[in-house]
Amino acid sequence: GQNIDQPTEMTATEGAIVQINCTYQTSGFNGLFWYQQHAGEAPTFLSYNVLDGLEEKGRFSSFLSRSKGYSYLLLKELQMKDSASYLCAAFFGNEKLTFGTGTRLTIIP
Amino acid sequence: EAQVTQNPRYLITVTGKKLTVTCSQNMNHEYMSWYRQDPGLGLRQIYYSMNVEVTDKGDVPEGYKVSRKEKRNFPLILESPSPNQTSLYFCASSLGRGPTEAFFGQGTRLTVV
Repeated sequence: GQNIDQPTEMTATEGAIVQINCTYQTSGFNGLFWYQQHAGEAPTFLSYNVLDGLEEKGRFSSFLSRSKGYSYLLLKELQMKDSASYLCAAFFGNEKLTFGTGTRLTIIP
Repeated sequence: EAQVTQNPRYLITVTGKKLTVTCSQNMNHEYMSWYRQDPGLGLRQIYYSMNVEVTDKGDVPEGYKVSRKEKRNFPLILESPSPNQTSLYFCASSLGRGPTEAFFGQGTRLTVV
């Protein structure tokens, strides 16, 4: 299988930092995506990692360790509009993108 | 504007009445796919297409059909809808083979009674 695991829910405070973890099975792995999805809306692309290390894009960063089958999304200076679900998705081979069940992040004042 | 367009956005239908959800993209993408999203289960792939006239089953293809006669269009067909197909459906497209960013349509909320 290509199980992708991420926490179901997280809560964080406005202005703080939060890290959302994702683990996946490494067989056939070919890249990892993070998407943001507000309730009732389409997922939108946040980041892509294929090599080990940290990719930084403004307030959002994503990290990948291929050997450990592990990624995290780091959100800094949290804003209320960051309340959303964050979807970890791994690409296997050249054809299959598999999504985790998503982490619903709630930002509190 | 680059986009993926799904229609309809909302649909309520009765069991057994054939329906089609359309999906169209204007980015000349080769890869298109359909997902359904259910609480606690996340996005699950129904079918995908690598190019015109090439389609393959995803993880949950039962009860669905697709076609890819033109590059831009990838309709999802439910020949005989059942209540367990009540879900939120998303069409997505990406540039081509291999890991590239997927662009999603606005979603179609389907209720089968």
